Amino acid sequence: GAVVSQHPSWVICKSGTSVKIECRSLDFQATTMFWYRQFPKQSLMLMATSNEGSKATYEQGVEKDKFLINHASLTLSTLTVTSAHPEDSSFYICSASRETGNGYTFGSGTRLTVV
Amino acid sequence: GENVEQHPSTLSVQEGDSAVIKCTYSDSASNYFPWYKQELGKRPQLIIDIRSNVGEKKDQRIAVTLNKTAKHFSLHITETQPEDSAVYFCAANYGQNFVFGPGTRLSVLP
Repeated sequence: GAVVSQHPSWVICKSGTSVKIECRSLDFQATTMFWYRQFPKQSLMLMATSNEGSKATYEQGVEKDKFLINHASLTLSTLTVTSAHPEDSSFYICSASRETGNGYTFGSGTRLTVV
Repeated sequence: GENVEQHPSTLSVQEGDSAVIKCTYSDSASNYFPWYKQELGKRPQLIIDIRSNVGEKKDQRIAVTLNKTAKHFSLHITETQPEDSAVYFCAANYGQNFVFGPGTRLSVLP
């Protein structure tokens, strides 16, 4: 089945620093990947849609200059949280699908803690 | 846009009993409905899905039913086991994206 790898699994950073999270599709090419944020005991909220070779599409309320997304290849999308603040602490998770319209596979998630 | 509601938010059942989680969606164009199980601190895992051209799908102890006219779909778990305890999310496609329900925390009591 489709495998999506996400790194790091957890990271602690100081306020004001930037953190990069990687999402890789290991056994398939993903033209589109999705980035979600999940606060404790809440549902998955779509942040942005990452499109290979073009700009990401951000959901309303998500700051594109703060959450930089790069999808430079068909197997890798990165999310960079710039100038992180404690309120950015959350579980970030990516997903991708081998075929558009089918059940997406999630990465293992990244728990970000900003201190 | 698409709006997905999910009930109940929490559900406790005795081991061996059945559990039912219900979701409704708003966009009649949605045609794919996956269900995910998320254990504490882990990624959501796809457990079953259904497309709009069928009304029911079953995989061992798990089944999903879909009523397109009423725009609702349900997850049924029979003979529940403690390892079924988790948060379950329903979802509906919206274009190439998915909108998730708020989740149901299922507790299976031994």
